[in-house]
Amino acid sequence: SQQGEEDPQALSIQEGENATMNCSYKTSINNLQWYRQNSGRGLVHLILIRSNEREKHSGRLRVTLDTSKKSSSLLITASRAADTASYFCATDHTGGFKTIFGAGTRLFVKA
Amino acid sequence: DAGITQSPRHKVTETGTPVTLRCHQTENHRYMYWYRQDPGHGLRLIHYSYGVKDTDKGEVSDGYSVSRSKTEDFLLTLESATSSQTSVYFCAISGGAGGKSNEQYFGPGTRLTVT
Repeated sequence: SQQGEEDPQALSIQEGENATMNCSYKTSINNLQWYRQNSGRGLVHLILIRSNEREKHSGRLRVTLDTSKKSSSLLITASRAADTASYFCATDHTGGFKTIFGAGTRLFVKA
Repeated sequence: DAGITQSPRHKVTETGTPVTLRCHQTENHRYMYWYRQDPGHGLRLIHYSYGVKDTDKGEVSDGYSVSRSKTEDFLLTLESATSSQTSVYFCAISGGAGGKSNEQYFGPGTRLTVT
């Protein structure tokens, strides 16, 4: 399967701490995306990083991509209770336009 | 939710009955997708469409069919529902004019229970 795999499956932290989630994949990609899903809702796009980029920022989000290791990380700085959600990485692979989603990391931020 | 609606939002049906889920968009995006989401599996692609009357299978297409007769609507049909098709179904769109083709926008989901 080309599916991305997130690590950890679940993460619980205190408000104000940083949260780091990792994603690994198996085959070459064109780009990698991160999405957030609040309970009972659809996914919301957070950030896209292209295969020729190594790092990207958006507000409190920082995404890194290491194509040699086929891995990416999502860092949420100064987390808030409202960041409580599931986070998914999604990879767009060379030769196709279908996006493959991982199983997600459930983040719980305690106030 | 970026102009995407799904109907119905909830449905309970019996094994063996046909079921059709509807996805409607007002964004004029080219690509439309149907996913199912189950615990521990993330989102798995069922079928997708890259234009009117142009569709293709995804990862878990068995037991499902789709149709797209116009840009706005993408229908997912379970020909004969089974309990293994109990899931939450999401529609997504991408590829709007001036937008990033890979960025997907999701509908609110349909919770389907097959008894």
